[in-house]
Amino acid sequence: TQLLEQSPQFLSIQEGENLTVYCNSSSVFSSLQWYRQEPGEGPVLLVTVVTGGEVKKLKRLTFQFGDARKDSSLHITAAQPGDTGLYLCAGVWAGGTSYGKLTFGQGTILTVHP
Amino acid sequence: SQTIHQWPATLVQPVGSPLSLECTVEGTSNPNLYWYRQAAGRGLQLLFYSVGIGQISSEVPQNLSASRPQDRQFILSSKKLLLSDSGFYLCAWSPTRTSGVGNIQYFGAGTRLSVL
Repeated sequence: TQLLEQSPQFLSIQEGENLTVYCNSSSVFSSLQWYRQEPGEGPVLLVTVVTGGEVKKLKRLTFQFGDARKDSSLHITAAQPGDTGLYLCAGVWAGGTSYGKLTFGQGTILTVHP
Repeated sequence: SQTIHQWPATLVQPVGSPLSLECTVEGTSNPNLYWYRQAAGRGLQLLFYSVGIGQISSEVPQNLSASRPQDRQFILSSKKLLLSDSGFYLCAWSPTRTSGVGNIQYFGAGTRLSVL
């Protein structure tokens, strides 16, 4: 079973602070996605990374895929209350036939206080 | 553009009653379809996935079943609901071929099921 360990599980910070969420595994993933979910809604894709060492930026969000494609991080600069939500990492396992199935991390609940 | 519809948004059912949740996708053909369950504020557990009409794979043993009677329709069912079936159910679709950019799944708005 391929697992994605996501940390921290909870993060409560003040507006303007920086934060990093981590997603780690002992398995290699062919790609990794980050989703953001608000209460009562489905997850919405933020980014996909597919190349080891890849870095992508989306405004104040920076995503990195580890060189060995076993881990990823999400860094938010100058967090705002609108960033509050559940952040999920998910990956496609590189081994075997997965039919595009995603393995999800446990999620990080981020709360940004004004 | 592609859209995914999931209904109902909220459902309260007594223990022992049947269940039918429906998901439909528009604007694409032969999608992969998925049903997930999510505990409050946590990650998603894959329940079923389908790569074509009538093709259903179950990921975990449970009281639920899934069917795909049409290309873009995915149904989650139960004959008799248990208290433990309560949760947030999400349907998702992905293109059959990802062209090397990684599998991207697009989610419906979810159904909050409460079994009382």
